[in-house]
Amino acid sequence: QSVLTQPPSASGTPGQKVTISCFGSSSNIGKNAVNWYQHLPGTAPKVLIYSTTQRPSGVPDRLTGSRSGTSASLAISGLQSEDEGDYYCAVWDNSLSAWVFGGGTKLTVL
Amino acid sequence: QVQLQESGPGLVQASGTLSLTCTVSGYSVISTNWWSWVRQPPGKGLEWIGEIYHTGSTNYNPSLKSRLTISIDKSKNQFSLRMTSVTAADTAVYYCARLGGYNYWGQGTLVTVSS
Repeated sequence: QSVLTQPPSASGTPGQKVTISCFGSSSNIGKNAVNWYQHLPGTAPKVLIYSTTQRPSGVPDRLTGSRSGTSASLAISGLQSEDEGDYYCAVWDNSLSAWVFGGGTKLTVL
Repeated sequence: QVQLQESGPGLVQASGTLSLTCTVSGYSVISTNWWSWVRQPPGKGLEWIGEIYHTGSTNYNPSLKSRLTISIDKSKNQFSLRMTSVTAADTAVYYCARLGGYNYWGQGTLVTVSS
């Protein structure tokens, strides 16, 4: 059972906005920066958001990271077929002295 | 351009020792960063294994700690993972990565534990 809780699945139609949530606690999301990854089969995880809100170069601005209290969110607007995949949040946990990953959310573009 | 590359045996005998090395290019391992190992078993999610700082300080996943050693070789700009007493549950794709701040990840290497 993951320290971070993500919904197992999410879906939307092309052009829609989808939000993936990541629920944690005061020892992780409440205090530390959050990363978001897209993971496709056979490839390395691709970082979409680091330091809670920062986008690496090449990641479109229709992807937005945010945090409220002990939860974080990844919003994807203008949904495209290429957005399909597994999405993970990750953050340092002060109590465990360890990085923790969410269980992952499978995003389907209908 | 920063690149991380995992290397090591793709097949390990059950009860044996898994050893992997991550070679970093385009960035010095002695910079102010922690270097991590992450794995993904087939059909499961990502799991953090542990990390090392250039001083040799380490942090380990509590559930794996008793079987782990992560080390660093500054002269070769590499860091390594050693996991003892492996079982089929340790079969996974193993990644080396920098998780703090701007992320860098290796392409991953599949390690299969055979009985």
